[in-house]
Amino acid sequence: NAGVMQNPRHLVRRRGQEARLRCSPMKGHSHVYWYRQLPEEGLKFMVYLQKENIIDESGMPKERFSAEFPKEGPSILRIQQVVRGDSAAYFCASSPRVSGHSSYEQYFGPGTRLTVT
Amino acid sequence: QKEVEQDPGPLSVPEGAIVSLNCTYSNSAFQYFMWYRQYSRKGPELLMYTYSSGNKEDGRFTAQVDKSSKYISLFIRDSQPSDSATYLCARNSGGSNYKLTFGKGTLLTVNP
Repeated sequence: NAGVMQNPRHLVRRRGQEARLRCSPMKGHSHVYWYRQLPEEGLKFMVYLQKENIIDESGMPKERFSAEFPKEGPSILRIQQVVRGDSAAYFCASSPRVSGHSSYEQYFGPGTRLTVT
Repeated sequence: QKEVEQDPGPLSVPEGAIVSLNCTYSNSAFQYFMWYRQYSRKGPELLMYTYSSGNKEDGRFTAQVDKSSKYISLFIRDSQPSDSATYLCARNSGGSNYKLTFGKGTLLTVNP
C-alpha cells in the first residue's frame, strides 16, 4: 500500500528557471493538498485540488505559482521564474474524501526540497 | 496573533521518560486538532487527531484538548530513542474542514 509519492525529492534550479513538482496521492485518495515549509517556519497551506478542479488556492502566491490535478496522472505544482525566496520544502498530502473526519486525515508525502541558486 | 503557537524546544529527555508537548491556539471556530511527527528530512506523519475536549489514547500516545484554556497536549509514555523527531500540532483553520494550520514544531530528543 504505497503512500503519497513525490518527485523529485531534491530539485535545484537557477533563478529564472521553472520548477515542476509532482505528487501522486495514496491509492483511493482523490483530494490533494500542497503545503510549503520554509526554513524555521511551520507548514503553510497553499492549495487544495480535486481531480480537474482547484477547490481552494487561497494560500498560493498570486504570481508565478500554479497547480493542477488532471484526470490522469499526478498533481503538479509549477513555479515559474523561480527566485531564491522560493527555496523551501514542498509537501503534498492526500485524503480520501472531504466529509466527516476524513479531510483532517491528511497523509503527507516525503516532500520535494527546492533549492534556487 | 498566530492561530497555533508551539514551544520550539528543543526538548531532551532520557529514555523511558514521560514527554509532554504543548500548543496553544486562538480562534475557536472549527476545532479539529492533529499531532504529526516529522523525522529529519521526511514528511509529516499523522499520529492522532481529536475533536472534543478530553483525552484520546493510542498506545503510548495520549492527545489532550482543553477548549476552555485553548490548550492542546501530546503525552508520550515510556519514550524511546525512536521517538526522537519534531512534533507538529495542527488544527483546521479559516472556517474550512481541510485547511490545516501548523505550529512550528517541537524538536524532541530521547537519549538512550
